[in-house]
Amino acid sequence: GQQLNQSPQSMFIQEGEDVSMNCTSSSIFNTWLWYKQDPGEGPVLLIALYKAGELTSNGRLTAQFGITRKDSFLNISASIPSDVGIYFCAGQLKGSARQLTFGSGTQLTVLP
Amino acid sequence: SAVISQKPSRDICQRGTSLTIQCQVDSQVTMMFWYRQQPGQSLTLIATANQGSEATYESGFVIDKFPISRPNLTFSTLTVSNMSPEDSSIYLCSANGNSYEQYFGPGTRLTVT
Repeated sequence: GQQLNQSPQSMFIQEGEDVSMNCTSSSIFNTWLWYKQDPGEGPVLLIALYKAGELTSNGRLTAQFGITRKDSFLNISASIPSDVGIYFCAGQLKGSARQLTFGSGTQLTVLP
Repeated sequence: SAVISQKPSRDICQRGTSLTIQCQVDSQVTMMFWYRQQPGQSLTLIATANQGSEATYESGFVIDKFPISRPNLTFSTLTVSNMSPEDSSIYLCSANGNSYEQYFGPGTRLTVT
């Protein structure tokens, strides 16, 4: 099936630092979504992107839909301890009926 | 947004048995989906639950193993049939409203012994 390459796989950062993660694919996506999953919980939607080049913010989070429609990144500024968790990118392929393809996830650890 | 609940939240089952997972959405939604998340892994789509017709399964998943019902616009069930230890996973329900945003339930943690 289609694959999304998400990197990095894990990150250890100091509280207050900024962090960036991204997803790339060889396929074209109509929509990019970014989720956070805490242990024992389902993924929670952080940001949704619908247009190539779109830059959207949600508090300290900023995400962009790549111009080629094959990639997206998520930035978190001034990290805090509650940012710890697994972040997933997900895309809706061009021509799909809203099914999502997920990246492999980025495990974020914030050190005090 | 849509608020999604799942029952049970977790279960421990013996091999060879079946478990039915329920998914309830707090509003009518167009699309509902079922995903599997194996320990330490990402999410994999099992099927799209279609209201009033048979579910659409992804490659590697079959109706005999994962029968799905969707009797109305707010409810769906997934059955994991004839379970083996390899079926131990988190099973997640999700839904779209009229937008492309997809929301997830809390998941059902299944352990097969």
